[in-house]
Amino acid sequence: GIQVEQSPPDLILQEGANSTLRCNFSDSVNNLQWFHQNPWGQLINLFYIPSGTKQNGRLSATTVATERYSLLYISSSQTTDSGVYFCAVGGATNKLIFGTGTLLAVQP
Amino acid sequence: DAGITQSPRHKVTETGTPVTLRCHQTENHRYMYWYRQDPGHGLRLIHYSYGVKDTDKGEVSDGYSVSRSKTEDFLLTLESATSSQTSVYFCAISEYEDRASRPLHFGNGTRLTVT
Repeated sequence: GIQVEQSPPDLILQEGANSTLRCNFSDSVNNLQWFHQNPWGQLINLFYIPSGTKQNGRLSATTVATERYSLLYISSSQTTDSGVYFCAVGGATNKLIFGTGTLLAVQP
Repeated sequence: DAGITQSPRHKVTETGTPVTLRCHQTENHRYMYWYRQDPGHGLRLIHYSYGVKDTDKGEVSDGYSVSRSKTEDFLLTLESATSSQTSVYFCAISEYEDRASRPLHFGNGTRLTVT
């Protein structure tokens, strides 16, 4: 099956800093999504982005499907950005496979 | 927020007992999923459904069964709970457009402890 690797596994930032999270995948995909799990355990869908670039406020994401990676950019980070960021990918089936996540801590 | 309700939110049960978790949606989405989340493993797909009475296995389906008799309800059953099934269980839903499933939206999870 498709393998998903996320990097870095952990990240500590000062408030206001920018960061880039990466998601590599091992096969062609037609579905790629980014999620944020907040410290209370809620999972929020950030982007549905099988290809191209999208922006939503301070967050943006780019997927280069031909090179099998996606990037999530967080600009001007805030303490509320803390949590775990997951990338999930899907191929010919409708099964989304999740990476193990990047744990982000934003310090005031 | 997507209208997804999981019940119960917390449950403690003993090894060998049957357990059923319920997911209810008000969005009329075609696809429903059950994931489990464990430290070091991220989220792993247990089973999913692509319509009423249409289900398929995920990565970690052993020891679990599902049923979907109505669009809005998706049940996950542990026939005989084991300690390895202690986990947080998430239900998710998605719509189907242009021959592909679309953004996934999650419920708030059920924390299950098997003693």
